[in-house]
Amino acid sequence: EVQLLESGGGLVQPGGSLRLSCVASGFTFSSYPMTWVRQAPGKGLEWVSVIIGSGASTNYADSVKGRFTISRDNSKNMLYLQMNSLRAEDTAVYYCVKDRSGSGYYFADSWGQGTLVTVSS
Amino acid sequence: DIQMTQSPSSLSASVGDRVTITCRASQSISSYLNWYQQKPGKAPKVLIYAASSLLSGVPSRFSASGSGTNFTFTISSLQPEDFATYYCQQSYSSPRTFGQGTKLEIK
Repeated sequence: EVQLLESGGGLVQPGGSLRLSCVASGFTFSSYPMTWVRQAPGKGLEWVSVIIGSGASTNYADSVKGRFTISRDNSKNMLYLQMNSLRAEDTAVYYCVKDRSGSGYYFADSWGQGTLVTVSS
Repeated sequence: DIQMTQSPSSLSASVGDRVTITCRASQSISSYLNWYQQKPGKAPKVLIYAASSLLSGVPSRFSASGSGTNFTFTISSLQPEDFATYYCQQSYSSPRTFGQGTKLEIK
């Protein structure tokens, strides 16, 4: 059974930094792209970033580009999101997501329970 | 970036009703379109990928179609457990944008 467990959320002041972690189990971690998706309180889903299985390629939403960095440690089955220069609009539940491909069509296959990041003074 | 526009934003319906949600992409995404269901306080769950492929274990009352820029998602006969928020998402290119969601409520 796939399990994704996020940690590292909390309250941080504007301009501050936070690193989210996600430990994965139940699948061959290095074989799958991994994604972060966030959801502001009472709002819709926002795709944040993706990293391929090897870690060699990443992509970001424009809203976080230059401030957030996604990374992974395949030896530890860990996914990370380093968040710098945080803003109030970054306040959200952050989900760790495993991607899967069906005939070349990628979709978010499994989701963690989410970790809440609150940016406020 | 590709913009995804869902309609309606909210919908009231009764158990047994047939409901349809539409999703429009700002440019052609072929069949790179997914549909998710999210219940309050829970993580989303994928129902359909590649525009019309039902995930294993998803009830057959859920269906979807479309390609290019216009897509539809249908629940043929609403069940009590279907009242939730539904999102489309394009996986044609990064950023893999979501629609704004459609909240399906009990009438």
